[in-house]
Amino acid sequence: KAGVTQTPRYLIKTRGQQVTLSCSPISGHRSVSWYQQTPGQGLQFLFEYFSETQRNKGNFPGRFSGRQFSNSRSEMNVSTLELGDSALYLCASSFRTSGRRTYNEQFFGPGTRLTVL
Amino acid sequence: AQSVAQPEDQVNVAEGNPLTVKCTYSVSGNPYLFWYVQYPNRGLQFLLKYITGDNLVKGSYGFEAEFNKSQTSFHLKKPSALVSDSALYFCAVRDKDSGNTPLVFGKGTRLSVIA
Repeated sequence: KAGVTQTPRYLIKTRGQQVTLSCSPISGHRSVSWYQQTPGQGLQFLFEYFSETQRNKGNFPGRFSGRQFSNSRSEMNVSTLELGDSALYLCASSFRTSGRRTYNEQFFGPGTRLTVL
Repeated sequence: AQSVAQPEDQVNVAEGNPLTVKCTYSVSGNPYLFWYVQYPNRGLQFLLKYITGDNLVKGSYGFEAEFNKSQTSFHLKKPSALVSDSALYFCAVRDKDSGNTPLVFGKGTRLSVIA
């Protein structure tokens, strides 16, 4: 079974631009989560999608947004990029039913390394 | 609110020696607990999880972790470290009883196994 794929793997942008990152989950996984990883802040939760609906949102400004499509693929968008947005953006998928008790492990993609100049 | 603490930024151990990476957690209800490992320029890989039942959980690559409710800890252990175990390790928690809460990760502990 193919793992989680993320595109692109590397991205260089300048301040003020916007960027879209893509994530394809493992087949059969309907839950997709996004994280920002930086050396100083560690792994910070951005948002989680399940069945095309945002189920959770982390403490990030509105410049960060996402969506999920009917095939469970997900995109995240960052508008008006700032230098501090430089990070590794990780996508993770998990097998989740509609139930509340989500104990299934997440499977991570390799990440997209975003550099903002 | 749920949180995870990994008190050591760095752990150094000689190859062949036992290793421990510490994790303590805080949740209002009961926890689901996870360990992940990250190798350079890679995403996180799942190692093991505690849901319920036996306090000693066995996972991938010879790793195990012990859930201790009274000490709110979930330390990762391996009897004999390998140089290839050198990586960044993350502990994570989700509150079982708080419905739809996201997974919360610790800051990570860098393990260095010296030959």
